Amino acid sequence: KAGVTQTPRYLIKTRGQQVTLSCSPISGHRSVSWYQQTPGQGLQFLFEYFSETQRNKGNFPGRFSGRQFSNSRSEMNVSTLELGDSALYLCASSLGTGPNTGELFFGEGSRLTVL
Amino acid sequence: AQSVTQPDIHITVSEGASLELRCNYSYGATPYLFWYVQSPGQGLQLLLKYFSGDTLVQGIKGFEAEFKRSQSSFNLRKPSVHWSDAAEYFCAVEPGSARQLTFGSGTQLTVLP
Repeated sequence: KAGVTQTPRYLIKTRGQQVTLSCSPISGHRSVSWYQQTPGQGLQFLFEYFSETQRNKGNFPGRFSGRQFSNSRSEMNVSTLELGDSALYLCASSLGTGPNTGELFFGEGSRLTVL
Repeated sequence: AQSVTQPDIHITVSEGASLELRCNYSYGATPYLFWYVQSPGQGLQLLLKYFSGDTLVQGIKGFEAEFKRSQSSFNLRKPSVHWSDAAEYFCAVEPGSARQLTFGSGTQLTVLP
């Protein structure tokens, strides 16, 4: 069974630009969550999508947005990039229902550098 | 709001020695509890989880963790560490159906030969 796939793995942008990151979950998983990992703030929850609906959202500004498609693939977008957005962005998938909602399967992440 | 504390930023142990990584959480009820491991340049891998029932849970790679309600702790243990265990370890909590994990700041494990 293929794991969670994130693209691109690495990217460099400049301040003010926008970026779109993609995540393909494990087959059969309907929930996709996004986390930001930085040395200073650690791992922080961005949002979670289930069946194309945002079900939960963390404490991030509106520049951070996401969506989920009918095949459960998800994208996140960051507009008007700031230096502080440099981070590893991790996508995680899960079944999304039942008792094991916290059992997340993570991708290897997309490392974003903002210059 | 819930929080997770991992008091040890960095731990060094010799190969073959025992290991205990500490995790304390703050939450009004018993949350779901998890330990994840992250190797350099990789995503996170679930080691074990606690939802309810037996307070001693077994995970992959020979790890186990014990939930102690009275101490709000969920410490990770391994009786004999292998060099391949060198990585960063994260404790996490999910308060029921909130569907989001709150992670601790992580403990970096170094294993000496």
